[in-house]
Amino acid sequence: EAQVTQNPRYLITVTGKKLTVTCSQNMNHEYMSWYRQDPGLGLRQIYYSMNVEVTDKGDVPEGYKVSRKEKRNFPLILESPSPNQTSLYFCASSSAGTQLSYEQYFGPGTRLTVT
Amino acid sequence: SQKIEQNSEALNIQEGKTATLTCNYTNYSPAYLQWYRQDPGRGPVFLLLIRENEKEKRKERLKVTFDTTLKQSLFHITASQPADSATYLCARVSLGAGGTSYGKLTFGQGTILTVHP
Repeated sequence: EAQVTQNPRYLITVTGKKLTVTCSQNMNHEYMSWYRQDPGLGLRQIYYSMNVEVTDKGDVPEGYKVSRKEKRNFPLILESPSPNQTSLYFCASSSAGTQLSYEQYFGPGTRLTVT
Repeated sequence: SQKIEQNSEALNIQEGKTATLTCNYTNYSPAYLQWYRQDPGRGPVFLLLIRENEKEKRKERLKVTFDTTLKQSLFHITASQPADSATYLCARVSLGAGGTSYGKLTFGQGTILTVHP
């Protein structure tokens, strides 16, 4: 089954304790992204990646790191989480190409609480 | 900077009516606009894409229009059903110099649609 998986689905942590949220896709997609979703602010892109070793900042990259060492994986790293990073996080992937719909396939989400 | 705005936070309609949701954008016209559906606690699901040079796109009961003069896209659900109740998001697809996407999307805040039986 074509899918994007994220782990963990729920995470409660404390300020300053480094954490990683994993994301994996099995569709051989070139593009992958991380978003955060907050009430009233909608979905905001944190980082995106066009392929292995190619990443760029989205609209809200501060406080986050990413890496793309393999095509299928795109982990999101919070080196020193703060309470304002409490949010619902989504990973997404899509295929490159001009004839396609650029449809983003989203993972199930990770609800992160930083106390 | 580019902005995508969905003016209505919530829309309530009766079953059987047509729901119309609005997506407005500022500055230059996005070449591609997408519409997604999101159910509570789940990731968004892609519905339709409309290109700048397309006036209208249809898929079953869904219709999307693109008006570059008004800088607006309208999303219609005809013969709406309670199962259509969800949050609907529009998104602008950014294109690179070669005219292809490089993976950057900008989403609107979403409109919560409730269809009453």
